[in-house]
Amino acid sequence: DGGITQSPKYLFRKEGQNVTLSCEQNLNHDAMYWYRQDPGQGLRLIYYSQIVNDFQKGDIAEGYSVSREKKESFPLTVTSAQKNPTAFYLCASTDRVNPYEQYFGPGTRLTVT
Amino acid sequence: LAKTTQPISMDSYEGQEVNITCSHNNIATNDYITWYQQFPSQGPRFIIQGYKTKVTNEVASLFIPADRKSSTLSLPRVSLSDTAVYYCLVGLISSGSARQLTFGSGTQLTVLP
Repeated sequence: DGGITQSPKYLFRKEGQNVTLSCEQNLNHDAMYWYRQDPGQGLRLIYYSQIVNDFQKGDIAEGYSVSREKKESFPLTVTSAQKNPTAFYLCASTDRVNPYEQYFGPGTRLTVT
Repeated sequence: LAKTTQPISMDSYEGQEVNITCSHNNIATNDYITWYQQFPSQGPRFIIQGYKTKVTNEVASLFIPADRKSSTLSLPRVSLSDTAVYYCLVGLISSGSARQLTFGSGTQLTVLP
């Protein structure tokens, strides 16, 4: 089955540690996105990549980093510089035919204490 | 950037038609309007998109007036399984840009038996 996978589903870290969230897609999509969702809130764009080896900051990129070395993969690192990292993180991808139809993964819930 | 405003919540009964309106007064000329559905602890799912007038697919209709300052998602004959949060998203995705890919707070639709 084609789709987007995110792992792990739940992640716990101590404050001050960097943590990397995985996002893989086998849809052959060019563009991939990372969002953050806080309780009762909408999604906010962290980073996006429209092609391999290229990515742009979204609205809330501070404290995060990404890489796009392969078309299928777009990992997100939450660094210790992120002030409030506890949140639900969602990865999405789109193809060129309809860039507005985003396919989302199941999400990773990160808790930092 | 186009800011979206939606009602926080709506209740409906099974079998009724539900209309959810999104206000986006400063929508840009090239912006598209997209609607998503999200269940708890899951990634959003694409419902429909449009630029102007009316768009219909197998699950919903989208009405956009001539001034494009608002849009209305119409769900025909809702069922209990349509209980979810519905997000309106306004923005532009083009080569090298993904402007305003920030979701609003969404509308919690509750369908009652």
